[in-house]
Amino acid sequence: SQQGEEDPQALSIQEGENATMNCSYKTSINNLQWYRQNSGRGLVHLILIRSNEREKHSGRLRVTLDTSKKSSSLLITASRAADTASYFCATDLNTGGFKTIFGAGTRLFVKA
Amino acid sequence: SQTIHQWPATLVQPVGSPLSLECTVEGTSNPNLYWYRQAAGRGLQLLFYSVGIGQISSEVPQNLSASRPQDRQFILSSKKLLLSDSGFYLCAWRQASSGELFFGEGSRLTVL
Repeated sequence: SQQGEEDPQALSIQEGENATMNCSYKTSINNLQWYRQNSGRGLVHLILIRSNEREKHSGRLRVTLDTSKKSSSLLITASRAADTASYFCATDLNTGGFKTIFGAGTRLFVKA
Repeated sequence: SQTIHQWPATLVQPVGSPLSLECTVEGTSNPNLYWYRQAAGRGLQLLFYSVGIGQISSEVPQNLSASRPQDRQFILSSKKLLLSDSGFYLCAWRQASSGELFFGEGSRLTVL
């Protein structure tokens, strides 16, 4: 079963526009992470937000976390064609070892 | 610095044949290790994770198995492949201090 669910499933925008992706999860978490995947490659970590944080920034990325709604959003500002990729949220379940569960992802296409 | 290696990168196997995918991590000790599978255009499904040598947790009942014969080596195996085993297999290790996962470049398996 998946812990995180992203929406939209796919997003197509023009270069320069902002892209917002949302993630919802089901159980209590220690933290929530966002990853990026270029087609056919491994995932690359973008940003981690802890359960006691509400907002975090890294360059053009802004992540928010609402634990009461069990949701998070990733905002990419001033998008570029190179931002075209799939974006996944992931949550940790502490079960004696850490299980990191990924959502289905949002495929972002930025048109030049 | 830490690196993760995964091989083979691409594999085409007939139904009923065995499988062995290998993952090794360098530059860290006693990492949590993970095997994920990704179907085309989909999210990541956690298959196995390991917190130490010989300690394997299985997430999905199937004809795959995992082993950790050494601290930094994680192997995914099957005695008899099914068509449904086709997919993109990703190995990852977890950085204990941050919770961040570092992924290998993946192994694409096609079962014919």
